[in-house]
Amino acid sequence: EIVLTQSPGTLSLSPGERATLSCRASQSVSSNYLAWYQQRPGQAPRLLMYGASNRADDIPDRFSGSGSGTDFTLTISRLEPEDFAVYYCQQYVTSPYTFGQGTKLEIK
Amino acid sequence: QVQLQESGPGLVKPSETLSRSCTVSGYSISSGYQWGWIRQAPGKGLEWIGSIHYSGNIRYNPSLKSRVTISLDSSKNQFSLKLSSVTAADTAVYYCARVFSGIAYFFDYWGQGTLVTVSS
Repeated sequence: EIVLTQSPGTLSLSPGERATLSCRASQSVSSNYLAWYQQRPGQAPRLLMYGASNRADDIPDRFSGSGSGTDFTLTISRLEPEDFAVYYCQQYVTSPYTFGQGTKLEIK
Repeated sequence: QVQLQESGPGLVKPSETLSRSCTVSGYSISSGYQWGWIRQAPGKGLEWIGSIHYSGNIRYNPSLKSRVTISLDSSKNQFSLKLSSVTAADTAVYYCARVFSGIAYFFDYWGQGTLVTVSS
């Protein structure tokens, strides 16, 4: 099973700042089969990125993804108030399809 | 627009079977895609449970496989989850979701999720 470790656990930033979230895999995620989700309180997760760097439909371009192999990054260039949420990465290179434990992005 | 709506009891007794259904609107599940279940224990992360394709292809998380059954009813445009012999550790929000494709196994549409509590 591929274990995904996200860091930091909590990130405290202000609106307008840049956020960098990390997802590290216990083994290589080939073909960049990695997705990112955003989860606001009381809501279902929302797909942000797939294939490590492809934005899902209707996702603003302030969100970007990068990385390969075992190290992946989600970057939010300028934080908007609605971006403060929990973010999860997920690998889909092999079953069982696993998620990271999440990074909480909170307002400083 | 694809929409998914879960339904089923919100309280299940220990050792009994948890049952959830997911009704899909805006798309016929017999036309394609895989349809899956994910859960989230209170304050915890996400755990993939399994998925089903209309062709009958089913995948389960090995950690739950012995207790899980996923089925599909195309006449109701619905798919279902059964989890047997539940304990308090199975208390979670259960989400149904659409799998983007058989190769790109991420989830592009989600139901709103419902908390299922295991308690006597």
